[in-house]
Amino acid sequence: EAQVTQNPRYLITVTGKKLTVTCSQNMNHEYMSWYRQDPGLGLRQIYYSMNVEVTDKGDVPEGYKVSRKEKRNFPLILESPSPNQTSLYFCASSLRGVTVAPGGYTFGSGTRLTVV
Amino acid sequence: AQSVTQPDIHITVSEGASLELRCNYSYGATPYLFWYVQSPGQGLQLLLKYFSGDTLVQGIKGFEAEFKRSQSSFNLRKPSVHWSDAAEYFCAVGGKNAGNMLTFGGGTRLMVKP
Repeated sequence: EAQVTQNPRYLITVTGKKLTVTCSQNMNHEYMSWYRQDPGLGLRQIYYSMNVEVTDKGDVPEGYKVSRKEKRNFPLILESPSPNQTSLYFCASSLRGVTVAPGGYTFGSGTRLTVV
Repeated sequence: AQSVTQPDIHITVSEGASLELRCNYSYGATPYLFWYVQSPGQGLQLLLKYFSGDTLVQGIKGFEAEFKRSQSSFNLRKPSVHWSDAAEYFCAVGGKNAGNMLTFGGGTRLMVKP
């Protein structure tokens, strides 16, 4: 089944303790992206990657890191999490980009992160 | 910078009634427009998209949306709502000038009365 898989689904951590949220897609998509969802703010893009070893900042990159060493994986790293990073995180992938048919993103099921 | 406004945070409709969810966007060039639906505890599923051509686009689950350039709108409609349509709906805009950034609205939560 074609899908984007995120792990873990739920995570509670303490301030300052480094964590990684994994994301993997099995569709051979070139583009991958991370979003965070907060009530009333919709989804905001954190980072995106156009291909292996190519990443760029989105709207809200502060406090996050990403890497794209393989086409299928795009982990999100929080080096020193803070409470304001408590949010629902989504990984998404796209074959060749949001504006190239078929376009848009395929989303994972989300990771709910709580930083205390 | 591009932006999307969904003016209605919550909407309640009766089952069987028609539905229209509003979406207004701001983008300096030709927009690529999307509607996604998010059921509780789930990721986002693409309902429909507009790239070019016919301004009335059909999507899954009986939804349609109309692109109106003069009004900078891309409203989502459904003629008869089912209880299973209760979810949160997000409008999003992207464009060639924006790379691979999709900008989302704040979402509209739809509740369906029996």
